[in-house]
Amino acid sequence: EAQVTQNPRYLITVTGKKLTVTCSQNMNHEYMSWYRQDPGLGLRQIYYSMNVEVTDKGDVPEGYKVSRKEKRNFPLILESPSPNQTSLYFCASGKRASETQYFGPGTRLLVL
Amino acid sequence: EDKVVQSPLSLVVHEGDTVTLNCSYEVTNFRSLLWYKQEKKAPTFLFMLTSSGIEKKSGRLSSILDKKELFSILNITATQTGDSAVYLCAGRNSSASKIIFGSGTRLSIRP
Repeated sequence: EAQVTQNPRYLITVTGKKLTVTCSQNMNHEYMSWYRQDPGLGLRQIYYSMNVEVTDKGDVPEGYKVSRKEKRNFPLILESPSPNQTSLYFCASGKRASETQYFGPGTRLLVL
Repeated sequence: EDKVVQSPLSLVVHEGDTVTLNCSYEVTNFRSLLWYKQEKKAPTFLFMLTSSGIEKKSGRLSSILDKKELFSILNITATQTGDSAVYLCAGRNSSASKIIFGSGTRLSIRP
């Protein structure tokens, strides 16, 4: 089944403890992107990747890192999480940047 | 600064009514506008619009783009309770790399 998977789906952590949220797609998509969703603010793009080894900042990249070493995986790294990074995170992928994006199920993160 | 603004923020209607959701955008080097439906999970794709004045339809849903006035509308006719969701609008730039989402319209359909 074609899908975008994220892990973990739920995470509670403490300030400063490094964490990684994984994202994987099995559709051989070139384009992948990370978003955070907060009440009243909609979806905001954190980072995106046009292809392997090509990543760029979205609108809210501060406090996040990404890597794209393989086409199927696009992990989101929080080196030192802070409470203002408490949010619902979505990973998405598309065949190309110009085409429809498919979203993963979301990861709900709480930073205490 | 690029932005996408949706209105209304929320809307409550009765089953069977027709609704129109609005989306205005200011996106540098605009390329396309997208509509998504979000229930209690990930957004699902509805429409992608790139040309002005050409209506896209899918069942009871339709959408159109006006590139001169920088807005789009999403129409839902004969609404059903299953249409209750948050509807998201997003603008994409010419390189298609960056996508700006609006804050969404929460639509509630009363039986």
